[in-house]
Amino acid sequence: DTGVSQDPRHKITKRGQNVTFRCDPISEHNRLYWYRQTLGQGPEFLTYFQNEAQLEKSRLLSDRFSAERPKGSFSTLEIQRTEQGDSAMYLCASTRGIDRVGRKNTEAFFGQGTRLTVV
Amino acid sequence: AQSVTQLDSQVPVFEEAPVELRCNYSSSVSVYLFWYVQYPNQGLQLLLKYLSGSTLVKGINGFEAEFNKSQTSFHLRKPSVHISDTAEYFCAVSGGGSQGNLIFGKGTKLSVKP
Repeated sequence: DTGVSQDPRHKITKRGQNVTFRCDPISEHNRLYWYRQTLGQGPEFLTYFQNEAQLEKSRLLSDRFSAERPKGSFSTLEIQRTEQGDSAMYLCASTRGIDRVGRKNTEAFFGQGTRLTVV
Repeated sequence: AQSVTQLDSQVPVFEEAPVELRCNYSSSVSVYLFWYVQYPNQGLQLLLKYLSGSTLVKGINGFEAEFNKSQTSFHLRKPSVHISDTAEYFCAVSGGGSQGNLIFGKGTKLSVKP
């Protein structure tokens, strides 16, 4: 169990550029979540995947954002035409889905996050 | 809809003193409750969780929390804090349903002073 890893850890980009982040979940976890955390706030849910299917998107996820999980393993989050308001920490989390006694989503493991700064 | 309120944005405390970080939640369904810790420029690490059963849950690093259904609270406590406990603490709720995403409070910054 190597934990959830995210790449890159930091990204500085100019307004209007496109950026892509990667998340590698814990290998046996079939659920993968993306959250955004702005300064002084708690993380806010963006979207999640069950295996390769994207099942829910928050209203925070504008049409400039797209996420994929093509083979049900790693996931990418792309932001097109970045704006200064996109500056935030982007966190990825994975869960097993069902724990040993059949309860759903009882523990999320988070990556270190990708800090995006749009200048 | 579910929500989480962390009543204190900052809590300063001296080393070896006890601390309580307050969390209240609202939900129309049964919930799972969590406390996470975040060190600067890091992801979140789970401290403890309440799923069911005993209302007093113990976590890592000497932290514990008590689930109080009538007061819809899940306050985090530690009897004696260390400098290394300085971090931001987030309370979160999950409905445990098919979606399973977490709803977080705004966080409490714990500053432990020597």
